Amino acid sequence: DAKTTQPPSMDCAEGRAANLPCNHSTISGNEYVYWYRQIHSQGPQYIIHGLKNNETNEMASLIITEDRKSSTLILPHATLRDTAVYYCIVRVYNFNKFYFGSGTKLNVKP
Amino acid sequence: DTAVSQTPKYLVTQMGNDKSIKCEQNLGHDTMYWYKQDSKKFLKIMFSYNNKELIINETVPNRFSPKSPDKAHLNLHINSLELGDSAVYFCASSQVSTLKPGELFFGEGSRLTVL
Repeated sequence: DAKTTQPPSMDCAEGRAANLPCNHSTISGNEYVYWYRQIHSQGPQYIIHGLKNNETNEMASLIITEDRKSSTLILPHATLRDTAVYYCIVRVYNFNKFYFGSGTKLNVKP
Repeated sequence: DTAVSQTPKYLVTQMGNDKSIKCEQNLGHDTMYWYKQDSKKFLKIMFSYNNKELIINETVPNRFSPKSPDKAHLNLHINSLELGDSAVYFCASSQVSTLKPGELFFGEGSRLTVL
């Protein structure tokens, strides 16, 4: 699986959009980009995934660059409850391994 | 209903003891996992079972023995516990399909403290 690089931490004001970047410059053509988050010490929670098109669901939007070497997770209106560690993962979709990096600690501030 | 449930949530024990953590998923998934999250918060895959067969073993000491009696259950038994085994252990499940990508569903974790 391709490695990912994320900033260790970011701050965001409550109510503003949080844009979390991820670099995956060695991604292969059949690897998907997944985003998870871990709130405090709870189990990680799935957010969204995509291959090459931008994706949106009720939680977030995922923007993948045309060359697929990087992506951005967007939380459109961050709340205090979005404070968490956000993990970007790339994997082949029908392969079992999910490797988690060190993630980005998002601090949403009032 | 909890999709992926683990027991116990907390476990405090002495070095050298043997302990087990149980995991059950009611999602009908064919693949289950154990992850370990240490004090530095790195989340590392340990094992994966697909339809009761071991498919991933990430160089985990053989003191750790996973067992999958059926595809809805994956238990983790640890022999001769060491201080370094103290961590939060997460169980997860997914459906590995050629038709669409499957995401991981995690349990709430089992915090093991070895004294």
